[in-house]
Amino acid sequence: GAVVSQHPSRVICKSGTSVKIECRSLDFQATTMFWYRQFPKQSLMLMATSNEGSKATYEQGVEKDKFLINHASLTLSTLTVTSAHPEDSSFYICSARLFGQGAYNEQFFGPGTRLTVL
Amino acid sequence: AQSVTQLDSHVSVSEGTPVLLRCNYSSSYSPSLFWYVQHPNKGLQLLLKYTSAATLVKGINGFEAEFKKSETSFHLTKPSAHMSDAAEYFCVVTPGYSSASKIIFGSGTRLSIRP
Repeated sequence: GAVVSQHPSRVICKSGTSVKIECRSLDFQATTMFWYRQFPKQSLMLMATSNEGSKATYEQGVEKDKFLINHASLTLSTLTVTSAHPEDSSFYICSARLFGQGAYNEQFFGPGTRLTVL
Repeated sequence: AQSVTQLDSHVSVSEGTPVLLRCNYSSSYSPSLFWYVQHPNKGLQLLLKYTSAATLVKGINGFEAEFKKSETSFHLTKPSAHMSDAAEYFCVVTPGYSSASKIIFGSGTRLSIRP
């Protein structure tokens, strides 16, 4: 149980285009999902916290107009990288926390999406 | 303030020998602690977690970790390394005082296994 999927797993796009990444909790409801960014050989950096039915909370330094997050249902959150540029190339990982569970419970991570902007 | 420190960025051991990955934490509240493993270009997989039950936690693939409050440590060990253990390992702490609490990642330790 507690499986999180991401789609696509890998995407290559041209500079200036927008890319949407989906994060789904397959067998549980997740009121809270998290989006992370990971650069090569580095740890995960939290970008934003996505709450179902409300606006996402962005971490300091993350442009909310650049990284649009939508959490329209209890099983789906999307991250849209708008007007992507080469510096946005990275590994994006989402995670989800079980509905009704506090922070003492683990987050379940998706397999990640490798974005390459040419 | 909450923080987590992984003391080694890279650990290399021979196959069949013990593994020790060190993690120290700082938390004002009773924390939950986790170890995750990440293989190249993959997501994170939970190895084990401590949530104020037994201080010695057994996880998957023969890994275990011991929560030592007096030392604020949560080191990950395995008696005998296998080639498939080569990966990046992250120690994670959750302060746990609020459902809105974010998890805090360590910087990661890369484990290499020598044949």
